[in-house]
Amino acid sequence: GESVGLHLPTLSVQEGDNSIINCAYSNSASDYFIWYKQESGKGPQFIIDIRSNMDKRQGQRVTVLLNKTVKHLSLQIAATQPGDSAVYFCAENRGRGKLIFGQGTELSVKP
Amino acid sequence: DTEVTQTPKHLVMGMTNKKSLKCEQHMGHRAMYWYKQKAKKPPELMFVYSYEKLSINESVPSRFSPECPNSSLLNLHLHALQPEDSALYLCASSLSQGNTNYGYTFGSGTRLTVV
Repeated sequence: GESVGLHLPTLSVQEGDNSIINCAYSNSASDYFIWYKQESGKGPQFIIDIRSNMDKRQGQRVTVLLNKTVKHLSLQIAATQPGDSAVYFCAENRGRGKLIFGQGTELSVKP
Repeated sequence: DTEVTQTPKHLVMGMTNKKSLKCEQHMGHRAMYWYKQKAKKPPELMFVYSYEKLSINESVPSRFSPECPNSSLLNLHLHALQPEDSALYLCASSLSQGNTNYGYTFGSGTRLTVV
């Protein structure tokens, strides 16, 4: 079936290092993707999005890469900080307001 | 105001109780959503409201009854729940059902425990 998933359930990085979180999707018709950050006890928070007519988009310390050929999405966080510790979800817009979330990656930043 | 506010933050209810979850936004968004999130799992869509009308019901059991009294409010009425319904219930909103630019704005959720 169609799904949006993440390769790794947990990721541990040293403070100051760069983090890369991956996501695979199976619906080749998907045209809009979003990365969310969810801290403990909070709802998901929008980080960055990308449309399928783009390969790369940059924000403040974050970059999203989209490879449509292999249906792969990644989130890169530069100079990871303790405040970046959270669960990260990719989400796929299936139309009609339906966002389908991937399984999530828990990022842990070691000081 | 750029927030989605959910109340209560925590709720414990028995299987014979009736309770309601409340969600409010004042961003002028015309689409509102209920999601359910189990521990260590991604959010799963339950309902979509567009212009105060139910647009999508993802085959949710009838013990969950949504209501959208006006464009700023969304309720979820709960009745005869089961322990497996214990979860974080998230409300979200977007400009419209067809416009999810920047994704949804999520509330912090209601942590529900059914005993």
